Formats: sequence, structure tokens, C-alpha cells
Amino acid sequence: EAGVAQSPRYKIIEKRQSVAFWCNPISGHATLYWYQQILGQGPKLLIQFQNNGVVDDSQLPKDRFSAERLKGVDSTLKIQPAKLEDSAVYLCASSLEVREETQYFGPGTRLLVL
Amino acid sequence: AQKITQTQPGMFVQEKEAVTLDCTYDTSDPSYGLFWYKQPSSGEMIFLIYQGSYDQQNATEGRYSLNFQKARKSANLVISASQLGDSAMYFCAMRELYNQGGKLIFGQGTELSVKP
Repeated sequence: EAGVAQSPRYKIIEKRQSVAFWCNPISGHATLYWYQQILGQGPKLLIQFQNNGVVDDSQLPKDRFSAERLKGVDSTLKIQPAKLEDSAVYLCASSLEVREETQYFGPGTRLLVL
Repeated sequence: AQKITQTQPGMFVQEKEAVTLDCTYDTSDPSYGLFWYKQPSSGEMIFLIYQGSYDQQNATEGRYSLNFQKARKSANLVISASQLGDSAMYFCAMRELYNQGGKLIFGQGTELSVKP
């Protein structure tokens, strides 16, 4: 069974530029999560989708971050414009359902904002 | 208040020995789950083991076991017979089924180094 796919694996941009990340969850997984992991810290949830609906986006900086999962399968996370403090690893995870199920993570996208 | 606390920023263990990574948690939710993930330098979070709050027995998965002490609110990970490939960051995480919308809350992590 294929795991969670993410691209790109690495991205370097200058501040105020835009960037987008893509995630394809494990087949059949209804729930998809985007996490931000700043160096030296544990991951922090940015947004959680159940199929194509948003379950939780309380920690998403909505003035610059947006995410969508239009067909309930793959998802994109966008930052516009990027700030220096957005430098982090962006992890995508998926699970069968939102509760009581283990989340499986992708390899992450390492973003460096200069 | 910290929901998940991992007090050991770094740990060393000799190859083939056992090691315990500490994790304490704080919740008022009666139903919750505790997870341990391994994150090697490649960056991927690898699921290791899960313990439900109502589980009577401690979870085990191969060389991994979870020492669950509910009254103390601790969920320590025990790795037996350490291998060089166990060197990585280890994260404890909790999911509260009724509070927080079921999202995972992670600790700060413990970096484990296995010495040959």
C-alpha cells in the first residue's frame, strides 16, 4: 500500500514570495491533516479535513495560509506571502476517520524562507 | 499549560541495551489516545505504538512497549535491545476524543542516540 505522498521535498524562497505544497493521502483515507514543524519542536496542526470539508483550522494563519481539498483526495497548502518565520517542515498526514484512528505521515516538505 | 511533556531533550543508550523515553500528559478528557512516533533525520514521522485510555494492558509492538500509568498520567516508551537504526527523534502525542476535535498534540521530542 502506498504511503502519503508529498511534493516538493525541499523549497527555498525569498520572503514575500508565494509557495504551494501538495499532498496525496493513503488511498481510502477520509481525513487529511497539515502540520507545521519548526526546528526543535513537535509538529503543530494547521488544518484538518474530513473528505473535502474543514474540521479544524483554528491554528491556521489565515491572513497568509490557505489550504484546499477540492475533490476529497489530494490537498494543497499555500503560503502567500511567506515570512521568515514560516521556515519549517510541512507534514501531511492521513487517517481513515478523524477520531480513534492512527495518523500516517508523509515525508514532509522542508521550506526555507530567506 | 503543556499538554504533553517530554523532559529528556537527548538520551544516549548502548547498542543492545533497553532505554526508556519519558512522557507525561495532562487532560481532563476521559477518553484519549497516546501515540509514539519516530522521526529519523529524513523527516518522516513513523508511527510506533498506540495506547487507549481505557486499555487495560500496556501496548506492545515488537521491541516497543508503552509503560502506561494512568494515575500518574505517564506514557513512557520502552525500546528493548536498541539498534543503531533506532537513533532518531521520538515524539509522544495525545489525542483527546472529546476536547480539541480529536487532533494530535505533540511533545517537544527526545533525541535518542544509540552508541555501538
